[in-house]
Amino acid sequence: QKEVEQNSGPLSVPEGAIASLNCTYSDRGSQSFFWYRQYSGKSPELIMFIYSNGDKEDGRFTAQLNKASQYVSLLIRDSQPSDSATYLCAVGQSSNTGKLIFGQGTTLQVKP
Amino acid sequence: DVKVTQSSRYLVKRTGEKVFLECVQDMDHENMFWYRQDPGLGLRLIYFSYDVKMKEKGDIPEGYSVSREKKERFSLILESASTNQTSMYLCASSSPGGADTQYFGPGTRLTVL
Repeated sequence: QKEVEQNSGPLSVPEGAIASLNCTYSDRGSQSFFWYRQYSGKSPELIMFIYSNGDKEDGRFTAQLNKASQYVSLLIRDSQPSDSATYLCAVGQSSNTGKLIFGQGTTLQVKP
Repeated sequence: DVKVTQSSRYLVKRTGEKVFLECVQDMDHENMFWYRQDPGLGLRLIYFSYDVKMKEKGDIPEGYSVSREKKERFSLILESASTNQTSMYLCASSSPGGADTQYFGPGTRLTVL
């Protein structure tokens, strides 16, 4: 069973701090990695995706991928109370079926 | 922008009723997915379709069926609703050319009494 693991949290950070969210995956052949944000009662919305080892930055968000360690992370700089949500890590399967495997999500709380 | 819409945001049905949940996407995506999301269990794939009239079972297909007669529309059917099917149902779509990026609809909160 291919898996994606996340710490469920809650992760609590003060406003303005850097929030670091982590995800590990078991399918060594996975090629695509995604971070979704989900507010309570709403559907997941895509924040960013990453395919290559290293860092990818988009505004206050940075995704980091290390395929050798099977690890992907999301850094949120200058965290705002509006960033308080559940963050889902999703990984594409190596069999290239189009399906994603989702982690259970990490709840982030940003305190003013 | 990709738009995925679902027929209802909230739905209340009685045990034994046949329930239809509809999903429409406007981006000509080949792939469409139905998930359910429950607290502590995360997102679980019910069914997925990679083309018109094509479907594949996901992780939890029991008690559900699907229909995809047109590319833009993917329906989830609960043949005889049961209380354990009370959940948030999420539809998503993606394109093989879009490297698996899935876009979600707003979700349907289904309550079965």
